[in-house]
Amino acid sequence: DTAVSQTPKYLVTQMGNDKSIKCEQNLGHDTMYWYKQDSKKFLKIMFSYNNKELIINETVPNRFSPKSPDKAHLNLHINSLELGDSAVYFCASSQVRSGGGNYEQYFGPGTRLTVT
Amino acid sequence: TQLLEQSPQFLSIQEGENLTVYCNSSSVFSSLQWYRQEPGEGPVLLVTVVTGGEVKKLKRLTFQFGDARKDSSLHITAAQPGDTGLYLCAGARGATNKLIFGTGTLLAVQP
Repeated sequence: DTAVSQTPKYLVTQMGNDKSIKCEQNLGHDTMYWYKQDSKKFLKIMFSYNNKELIINETVPNRFSPKSPDKAHLNLHINSLELGDSAVYFCASSQVRSGGGNYEQYFGPGTRLTVT
Repeated sequence: TQLLEQSPQFLSIQEGENLTVYCNSSSVFSSLQWYRQEPGEGPVLLVTVVTGGEVKKLKRLTFQFGDARKDSSLHITAAQPGDTGLYLCAGARGATNKLIFGTGTLLAVQP
């Protein structure tokens, strides 16, 4: 069984289009994340949700809008795609410890977005 | 910007050699994690270190957290081709324990 799954695996689209990436985790975790990995393999957090509530919102253009319909899902919608949005986007999940802090993060396989 | 610098950036070695990867920052972290990422996949956690000076071993991999909790190292003994991948350190900070990822070390072990 896949712990953290993302769809699609590859996404090729033109500038100006709107697209969504879906993420689901079956680990029972209460926190989910979106990361962006650029061409230099640098991984940077974009958003984090805990129990469907947004807790981390980095300096990300407002063209990016995350949505968490429930604890097991965190989707990412991107409006008016730009060339610079081309990257690999990773979803991840973790469980908050009872005393604070997180356990390890489990990552999905990534979605390679190419904007032409 | 809290930056975790890893060195070296790239490393190509022969099977059986030893190597050390460093992860340095000017910031203090509550914990530090090491991940390995293979092509086309997401990062996979190798270890979490929490206490300053802590040393953890995972088979041929030895991880150390600096005394001041600002840096860490990963030492691999007798590297094997299966160790090939991108190694990422990640430090946790703040109330949300946000992970700040390092700049990455791409390791290639030649048979």
